[in-house]
Amino acid sequence: NAGVTQTPKFQVLKTGQSMTLQCAQDMNHNSMYWYRQDPGMGLRLIYYSASEGTTDKGEVPNGYNVSRLNKREFSLRLESAAPSQTSVYFCASSVMGGLYNSPLHFGNGTRLTVT
Amino acid sequence: GNSVTQMEGPVTLSEEAFLTINCTYTATGYPSLFWYVQYPGEGLQLLLKATKADDKGSNKGFEATYRKETTSFHLEKGSVQVSDSAVYFCALIMDSNYQLIWGAGTKLIIKP
Repeated sequence: NAGVTQTPKFQVLKTGQSMTLQCAQDMNHNSMYWYRQDPGMGLRLIYYSASEGTTDKGEVPNGYNVSRLNKREFSLRLESAAPSQTSVYFCASSVMGGLYNSPLHFGNGTRLTVT
Repeated sequence: GNSVTQMEGPVTLSEEAFLTINCTYTATGYPSLFWYVQYPGEGLQLLLKATKADDKGSNKGFEATYRKETTSFHLEKGSVQVSDSAVYFCALIMDSNYQLIWGAGTKLIIKP
């Protein structure tokens, strides 16, 4: 029962470097999300994909891009990393977008440090 | 705008103590309310939810009641265990079905 799998678990980047965070879910969920978690700030939505083929901006999309590669996979790309992007990144999925009745299932996170 | 405020942590209790973690919200309409829990080294998982006023959500011995008059959704448990040590997040959802609004999280430490 893998659920939501994120890679890598840890990453250190220098300012200006690029990288892609990978996320895959095996629950046949329609909707996928990328969040960042910073101390004292809860979670903030970066981007989400309501269904395969669609993506939308969340609360803090600047500096990020996403790709919904297929129903299973949703990647997050940092084109030019900045120290302000140091955070823990979580991928999540849900059966459908109605979060009233469709809880989020989270991966275990990627801890990213930008120096 | 809409927001969620949780009590600051960490909250440290002894095993078998009574737990309350406060959560209040500000919302322009009638949100649904959630508690998620994050165990060490893991992602968050849904603990319980309530979708309308006076609803009580419950799971694993935890309870929370949706109080519209006080705009609150406090999390309670009668007797905590060491295994309850985690970070607890209160959240609400309004018009958009895709954007939960999160509190900052409250770290709970239970000592044996």
